Amino acid sequence: GDQVEQSPSALSLHEGTGSALRCNFTTTMRAVQWFQQNSRGSLINLFYLASGTKENGRLKSTFNSKESYSTLHIRDAQLEDSGTYFCAAENVGDNSKLIWGLGTSLVVNP
Amino acid sequence: EAAVTQSPRSKVAVTGGKVTLSCHQTNNHDYMYWYRQDTGHGLRLIHYSYVADSTEKGDIPDGYKASRPSQENFSLILELASLSQTAVYFCASSAGGERLFFGHGTKLSVL
Repeated sequence: GDQVEQSPSALSLHEGTGSALRCNFTTTMRAVQWFQQNSRGSLINLFYLASGTKENGRLKSTFNSKESYSTLHIRDAQLEDSGTYFCAAENVGDNSKLIWGLGTSLVVNP
Repeated sequence: EAAVTQSPRSKVAVTGGKVTLSCHQTNNHDYMYWYRQDTGHGLRLIHYSYVADSTEKGDIPDGYKASRPSQENFSLILELASLSQTAVYFCASSAGGERLFFGHGTKLSVL
């Protein structure tokens, strides 16, 4: 079935550095969302993209539907960025359900 | 900011007992969802609804029922709770094809 492959599965960063998380899709997706699950377990919606790039503070996300991938860039990482990051995509023609990646566990160290 | 409220925040249930998890949203969203998250895993969809008085099966509906009595409220019912249903349950809402907003989750322990 349709899948979302998320990488890396785990990532460790030092404060002030940055990295990119990626989701690859096995089929054409209409839109993608990125979520952070923080240390309290809450799921926070970071971005919704139907195309192109969005930026919010130290986070930037890109969605390329034609090439079937999305990225989330984190720059100047802070301790509070630690948590698990999930991407979830909408299949073309069915916006009622999302297809979820398995997450990237991010640890930011002092 | 969208608001989705779940209750209770945590619950301990006995095997074979009935459990009801409640969710209330004030976003005027048509779509509501129940997800399950097991330790170290992603999210799996149990049931969802896009209109009051109607529910749809998700990817793992067995052992769960759902009820959507109004646009604002969506409940998840475990008629006969089992050990394997110990997990964290999240409710979410969206306008359909737009951003998804989650409640804080309910930690359910079945003993």
